Amino acid sequence: DVKVTQSSRYLVKRTGEKVFLECVQDMDHENMFWYRQDPGLGLRLIYFSYDVKMKEKGDIPEGYSVSREKKERFSLILESASTNQTSMYLCASSFGQGGGEQFFGPGTRLTVL
Amino acid sequence: QKEVEQDPGPLSVPEGAIVSLNCTYSNSAFQYFMWYRQYSRKGPELLMYTYSSGNKEDGRFTAQVDKSSKYISLFIRDSQPSDSATYLCAMSVWAGSYQLTFGKGTKLSVIP
Repeated sequence: DVKVTQSSRYLVKRTGEKVFLECVQDMDHENMFWYRQDPGLGLRLIYFSYDVKMKEKGDIPEGYSVSREKKERFSLILESASTNQTSMYLCASSFGQGGGEQFFGPGTRLTVL
Repeated sequence: QKEVEQDPGPLSVPEGAIVSLNCTYSNSAFQYFMWYRQYSRKGPELLMYTYSSGNKEDGRFTAQVDKSSKYISLFIRDSQPSDSATYLCAMSVWAGSYQLTFGKGTKLSVIP
């Protein structure tokens, strides 16, 4: 079974703090994604990566950056957390081939006070 | 017009009912179609994955794709309280790599 793990299930941070969210997948997937999910807005793509050290902006990259130093690990960084970044953050991965089906981690519920 | 439209519900049905969940889409280039199930405070899990028009069955679940009408459905037979979740449709198109476009999800409650 594909396994995608995220470093924390719940996280509480203060405004202005730097926040790191880590994601690890164990299926040798080429592609990795970071989404945020908010009520009424659905899943919104923040960044994705199709190879080590590669990154592409998604629909809402402002206020975020990413790092992919190893194939299995994809990190999301909030340089200076703000209250409007309170959300559920979901990491996903997929094979480079196939139809793009993505496998998700359990999510990190981030609260910024 | 949004690329993928999905009725947000909520949808409430009695145990044992047949459930029909639907999505419409506007981009005829979509090639692969998926349904995800998401329990409260959990990540989405892949439930069904289809490519061509027609039906695909897996136990109590049937996924249906009608590319000519740009319409996909998920049917759940003999629904159970454990089916209570949010169901998200998703579809993909090649644009250098495959990315998914998601519906916003339909919240389903199955009442014992």
